[in-house]
Amino acid sequence: DTVMTQSPDSLAVSLGERATINCKSSQSVLHSSSNRNYLAWYQQKPGQPPKLLIYWASTRESGVPDRFSGSGSGTDFTLTISSLQAEDVAVYYCQQYYRGPSTFGQGTRLEIK
Amino acid sequence: EVQLVESGGGLVQPGGSLRLSCAASGFTLSNYWMHWVRQAPGTGLVWVSRINTDGSSTMYADSVKGRFIISRDNARNTLSLQINSLRVEDTAVYYCARGSNAEEDAYDIWGQGTMVTVSS
Repeated sequence: DTVMTQSPDSLAVSLGERATINCKSSQSVLHSSSNRNYLAWYQQKPGQPPKLLIYWASTRESGVPDRFSGSGSGTDFTLTISSLQAEDVAVYYCQQYYRGPSTFGQGTRLEIK
Repeated sequence: EVQLVESGGGLVQPGGSLRLSCAASGFTLSNYWMHWVRQAPGTGLVWVSRINTDGSSTMYADSVKGRFIISRDNARNTLSLQINSLRVEDTAVYYCARGSNAEEDAYDIWGQGTMVTVSS
């Protein structure tokens, strides 16, 4: 199975500052024929189910604020929150949905500094 | 409103069984691959199982293979997960999630989850 490793495990950022979360896959999730990266990002707040933020590594889900962006290709990916808001406090997960069983990263807890 | 609502969780002894259900509304279930994902207390997300649009193809995580059975009733807009031979390590919130019309896609709609506790 493809192992997804996120860094850091936790992160504290000041309001209005940039937050960056990294995700590395043990195998490439780039589908050569479609040139798409099968990589998604989710946000999970306490007591709530995950919410899809980004899919195909960089496509923002409808309704997601544009301060959230995804980048990367192959095995290395980044979720960036350009200007942290109080409501962004959550755990963030990356997920690959390309090779074999879908797998998630261990999560990154984002807090306000 | 597009939504998924799980039910059927509860407290069960090791070796017991439960049947989880996921009721879909606001969309046509038969157009979507569907998934079950679980989350043990205080831990991350783990994919459990998936089923294709007409129920003819299923896949399971190694940890549940041979014990869990995923199924769907498109006429009733319902997804199910029969969980047998339960172990303490199966304790988790179980979420159903919507994929797309293709096997490989992100999950855009999630239910609120149903808690399964396995304990003697």
